[in-house]
Amino acid sequence: DGGITQSPKYLFRKEGQNVTLSCEQNLNHDAMYWYRQDPGQGLRLIYYSQIVNDFQKGDIAEGYSVSREKKESFPLTVTSAQKNPTAFYLCASSIQPGRGNEQFFGPGTRLTVL
Amino acid sequence: GEDVEQSLFLSVREGDSSVINCTYTDSSSTYLYWYKQEPGAGLQLLTYIFSNMDMKQDQRLTVLLNKKDKHLSLRIADTQTGDSAIYFCAESMPGGSYIPTFGRGTSLIVHP
Repeated sequence: DGGITQSPKYLFRKEGQNVTLSCEQNLNHDAMYWYRQDPGQGLRLIYYSQIVNDFQKGDIAEGYSVSREKKESFPLTVTSAQKNPTAFYLCASSIQPGRGNEQFFGPGTRLTVL
Repeated sequence: GEDVEQSLFLSVREGDSSVINCTYTDSSSTYLYWYKQEPGAGLQLLTYIFSNMDMKQDQRLTVLLNKKDKHLSLRIADTQTGDSAIYFCAESMPGGSYIPTFGRGTSLIVHP
């Protein structure tokens, strides 16, 4: 079955630690995205990538980093510079960037800072 | 600027119709979307409408677009308990690489 997987589902981090969230897709999509969701908030774009080895900052990129070495994978690192990292993180992909192409979402990773 | 506004909560009785409203501010929006999020899960696209359309119907779902007022609505007919979820309105436009801007989401609660 084609789809997007995210792991882990739940992640706990101590303050000062970097953590990496995994996102993999087997849909052969060019574009991939990372969003952050807080209670009562919409989705806020962290980073997106339209092609391998290229990515752009979204609205709230500070304290986060990404890589896109393979078409299928777009991992997100939450660094210790992110002051309030506790949130629900969603990864998405689309066939091509924009133009009304449907975004397919993964099941999300809930990150909690202890 | 880009801003999508939705009311945060809606409560309906099972079998009634639900209407979820959304307003957006950018008249250059090209695509307008409705996504559904069930608890602890990712988002699922329900439907989308092009800005040159006024209405789109898909089974129990009807989307109405009023471009003059920049108002989008999602009507769910014969609402079921399984429709309980958060519904997000989103817009995309050429200036933003067509990446959707999402509203805060409307929590739909369906009572038996």
